Amino acid sequence: DAKTTQPPSMDCAEGRAANLPCNHSTISGNEYVYWYRQIHSQGPQYIIHGLKNNETNEMASLIITEDRKSSTLILPHATLRDTAVYYCIVRFYYNQGGKLIFGQGTELSVKP
Amino acid sequence: DGGITQSPKYLFRKEGQNVTLSCEQNLNHDAMYWYRQDPGQGLRLIYYSQIVNDFQKGDIAEGYSVSREKKESFPLTVTSAQKNPTAFYLCASSIERGRPEAFFGQGTRLTVV
Repeated sequence: DAKTTQPPSMDCAEGRAANLPCNHSTISGNEYVYWYRQIHSQGPQYIIHGLKNNETNEMASLIITEDRKSSTLILPHATLRDTAVYYCIVRFYYNQGGKLIFGQGTELSVKP
Repeated sequence: DGGITQSPKYLFRKEGQNVTLSCEQNLNHDAMYWYRQDPGQGLRLIYYSQIVNDFQKGDIAEGYSVSREKKESFPLTVTSAQKNPTAFYLCASSIERGRPEAFFGQGTRLTVV
């Protein structure tokens, strides 16, 4: 599975869009980009995933660059409840064992 | 509602005692996983099970044991052989083996004194 690089922390004003970047320059053609978040002392929560095209669901949007070497998770209207550590994970869709490799992630602080 | 239940949320044990952490899911998922998280760290895989009566070691299985006698249950035993058992333990499941859209429980914080 390819490695990812994320900034350790970011701030965002409540109501504004939060744009969380992730670099994955060694991603291979069949690897997907996944995003999870973990609110303090809770289990991680799946947010979204994508391969090539941009994706949107009720929680967020995922923008993947054309060369697939980086991506951005967008929370369109951040709320205080979005304060969490956000993890970007790159892996094959079907990976033996189903292992998720969580790096250090980005600690997002949404401020009033 | 469907989900994963871990119990208890907080657990205290004396050093040298074995302790079993419960994980139950009613999502009808085939695959289940146990992760460990230490302060300021990412999650590390302990054990995983892709089907009933089968399980595999993850990256840090030493000092732990599991069973998968029922599809909905995947208990983790932290044995006295685990040198540093104090941690946050997370159970997860996914609809079929290998798919990463995993659902996580709320975790059990184990403190060994």
